[in-house]
Amino acid sequence: DAKTTQPNSMESNEEEPVHLPCNHSTISGTDYIHWYRQLPSQGPEYVIHGLTSNVNNRMASPAIAEDRKSSTLILHRATLRDAAVYYCILHAYSGAGSYQLTFGKGTKLSVIP
Amino acid sequence: EAQVTQNPRYLITVTGKKLTVTCSQNMNHEYMSWYRQDPGLGLRQIYYSMNVEVTDKGDVPEGYKVSRKEKRNFPLILESPSPNQTSLYFCASSFRQGAPYEQYFGPGTRLTVT
Repeated sequence: DAKTTQPNSMESNEEEPVHLPCNHSTISGTDYIHWYRQLPSQGPEYVIHGLTSNVNNRMASPAIAEDRKSSTLILHRATLRDAAVYYCILHAYSGAGSYQLTFGKGTKLSVIP
Repeated sequence: EAQVTQNPRYLITVTGKKLTVTCSQNMNHEYMSWYRQDPGLGLRQIYYSMNVEVTDKGDVPEGYKVSRKEKRNFPLILESPSPNQTSLYFCASSFRQGAPYEQYFGPGTRLTVT
């Protein structure tokens, strides 16, 4: 199974950019890197995904290394509402015509006012 | 508003009493899925469905059943719940199955089996 490794927790100051790292050394060429986040007492929420770094939205960008073995989710400006657990996930082919999101433990981001 | 809804949001039941957790999406998505979330174990997929009448097991299917008779609904059935099925359950949907498609999650159902 393609797996990801993330730090357990990180802290950031409000209104500053945040860089959330993710290692995925076993990634294959067709795996997409997805980012989801989960706010307290809510379901996971899609943030962004990509095959390479050529995606962006107003909230975040996934900086994907050229060898695709690691990536960083960049939140452009952290707000208190961004405090959540962030999951870096490889959306990968899991056999028999099936694709699967496999969630790890994620990074708990705390935002300091 | 595009959304995935689940009912009930909270449920306390006793061992062996059959229950159903409903899931519905209004986005005309082909793919739907059920996950459970437990402390220290993260989210694990229970069952998924690629389209109407097509379902398959995820990583932890034991003790659960699903059905997909209509595109919008994907109920999770516990025929004989046991305490080890106490968990937080999430339903999710996406346009179709595949790596490029993001999943939309429901708000969760917290189930306690005593």
